[in-house]
Amino acid sequence: KQEVTQIPAALSVPEGENLVLNCSFTDSAIYNLQWFRQDPGKGLTSLLLIQSSQREQTSGRLNASLDKSSGRSTLYIAASQPGDSATYLCAVKAPDSWGKLQFGAGTQVVVTP
Amino acid sequence: EAQVTQNPRYLITVTGKKLTVTCSQNMNHEYMSWYRQDPGLGLRQIYYSMNVEVTDKGDVPEGYKVSRKEKRNFPLILESPSPNQTSLYFCASAGRNQPQHFGDGTRLSIL
Repeated sequence: KQEVTQIPAALSVPEGENLVLNCSFTDSAIYNLQWFRQDPGKGLTSLLLIQSSQREQTSGRLNASLDKSSGRSTLYIAASQPGDSATYLCAVKAPDSWGKLQFGAGTQVVVTP
Repeated sequence: EAQVTQNPRYLITVTGKKLTVTCSQNMNHEYMSWYRQDPGLGLRQIYYSMNVEVTDKGDVPEGYKVSRKEKRNFPLILESPSPNQTSLYFCASAGRNQPQHFGDGTRLSIL
């Protein structure tokens, strides 16, 4: 059974520092991997989607890498801002099921001014 | 505006009283899904649907029912709610190979 782990569970950085968030998964046979942001009391907002054939995706200050063979993905957020404070979750989709997603528990990020 | 709409946003009810949480999307997505989010357990998939009349179980389907009679709607039904179904529920939709879009959530309290 696929297990998705995010370490650390919480992270605090001063404004301006780069953020590095980690996601690991036990079964490398994935269809894609998605990074989400969740603000308190809100739903999830999709940040980046990486297909299994891709190595990375970029959007503005965000960059996500994928290494299927080692079962890891990393989300980089450059020049962090207080508005980046949120919980970040990764989720993997299995190739044998069109809809099934497995989520990590998330990393809670606080960016201090 | 592209969105996934859930109703109600908050509900307090009693054990055994049937309830339905509605979910509607306006993006013509084939795929829809329900999740519950609990402290310490993260997000877990309840049911998902790949198209009209096609549904499948996720990781925690016990105590829930779904139906997909129309492409835009995917209601979650609790026939006989119990306190262990107190949770934050999310509906999501996606096109094939596209990112999932989430609703704002429904907080259910079952006494």
